[in-house]
Amino acid sequence: EDQVTQSPEALRLQEGESSSLNCSYTVSGLRGLFWYRQDPGKGPEFLFTLYSAGEEKEKERLKATLTKKESFLHITAPKPEDSATYLCAVQAKTGANNLFFGTGTRLTVIP
Amino acid sequence: NAGVTQTPKFRVLKTGQSMTLLCAQDMNHEYMYWYRQDPGMGLRLIHYSVGEGTTAKGEVPDGYNVSRLKKQNFLLGLESAAPSQTSVYFCASSYRRLAVEQYFGPGTRLTVT
Repeated sequence: EDQVTQSPEALRLQEGESSSLNCSYTVSGLRGLFWYRQDPGKGPEFLFTLYSAGEEKEKERLKATLTKKESFLHITAPKPEDSATYLCAVQAKTGANNLFFGTGTRLTVIP
Repeated sequence: NAGVTQTPKFRVLKTGQSMTLLCAQDMNHEYMYWYRQDPGMGLRLIHYSVGEGTTAKGEVPDGYNVSRLKKQNFLLGLESAAPSQTSVYFCASSYRRLAVEQYFGPGTRLTVT
């Protein structure tokens, strides 16, 4: 059965303090892994798609990496505006092809 | 370009009442989805559509019906609301089913008392 586990559940960082969020997954063949950002009271906003182990993508202070078992979202020198919940989702190559979401990591960046 | 819009933003229902949530997208996407998001759980797929006039069941379809009469609209119906359907509902769309991002609407917060 497809599974996505995100850790930690919540993370508090000082402004400028770099860290990483983890997304561990179990799927029967990965078609794609997706990272989203969700602000309170809003819908998820797409950040990255990763397709194969070793792939990396960057956007401003965010960098997503992928291995065969997990993905990391690295946040470099975060700012208060980076505070949000970060969601990871996977799509398998077999089965229903639905996106399967983790429960997210709630990030708070303190000025 | 409004993207994906949802109406209403908030709704309170009594047990047994019915309602319809409306999703509209202006990106000419073929694929549309309805999810629910509950505390401590990931987004879960209720129903989806691969094109005008077609619908399919997702992970948690019981108690919901959907219709896609026009390409740009996807309706989610609750025929007889139950407290277990209290949730935040998100609509999403994508231009392809596989390996591409989905674009989400702002959500509808539904409370069933």
